[in-house]
Amino acid sequence: NAGVTQTPKFRILKIGQSMTLQCAQDMNHNYMYWYRQDPGMGLKLIYYSVGAGITDKGEVPNGYNVSRSTTEDFPLRLELAAPSQTSVYFCASSSGQGRPNYGYTFGSGTRLTVV
Amino acid sequence: GEDVEQSLFLSVREGDSSVINCTYTDSSSTYLYWYKQEPGAGLQLLTYIFSNMDMKQDQRLTVLLNKKDKHLSLRIADTQTGDSAIYFCAGDLGGGGNKLTFGTGTQLKVEL
Repeated sequence: NAGVTQTPKFRILKIGQSMTLQCAQDMNHNYMYWYRQDPGMGLKLIYYSVGAGITDKGEVPNGYNVSRSTTEDFPLRLELAAPSQTSVYFCASSSGQGRPNYGYTFGSGTRLTVV
Repeated sequence: GEDVEQSLFLSVREGDSSVINCTYTDSSSTYLYWYKQEPGAGLQLLTYIFSNMDMKQDQRLTVLLNKKDKHLSLRIADTQTGDSAIYFCAGDLGGGGNKLTFGTGTQLKVEL
């Protein structure tokens, strides 16, 4: 099992450019999440999805968009990159079945720098 | 929403015990979690505790929960250099989506 796969691992963007961070999971998990990690700030939830065709905003959604056309894939789109979006982005998935929520599986992250 | 706070750094000597602390504001979390992040990697679940428990032990790990003070701690016995990492506590917000709120993370450095 690959678990949660994120691509690319590193990326440098210029201000105003756009890009899509890819996330795929092969565990048939219903729930998927995008977090960003900034030094000393912990992880902040950007968007999440409870199933194909369903997405919802998290704590810091501005400047981002998501889609969930399949159970496996949950791409995160940055339309007009800004320096404030320099961060490490983590995708995670969860089975969403019952409690506790120990089904959270994280990808290895995408380190994005906007210059 | 829930706020979860941790101290940023902790340094211990190999073989000593480490205690990482966490405070949270929302007492409705059903479960509280500890995650470990090694350099350049994603987060891995270490352990969790149900909100009606006071303590949970799992090999070298002991989790203590003080609901009155909204305080969670992780004790690592016989700390090894391989334990050097960032440790995050997280609370279950409940409701839809199984969303977690993470603390700021504590960087544990284990010295020889």
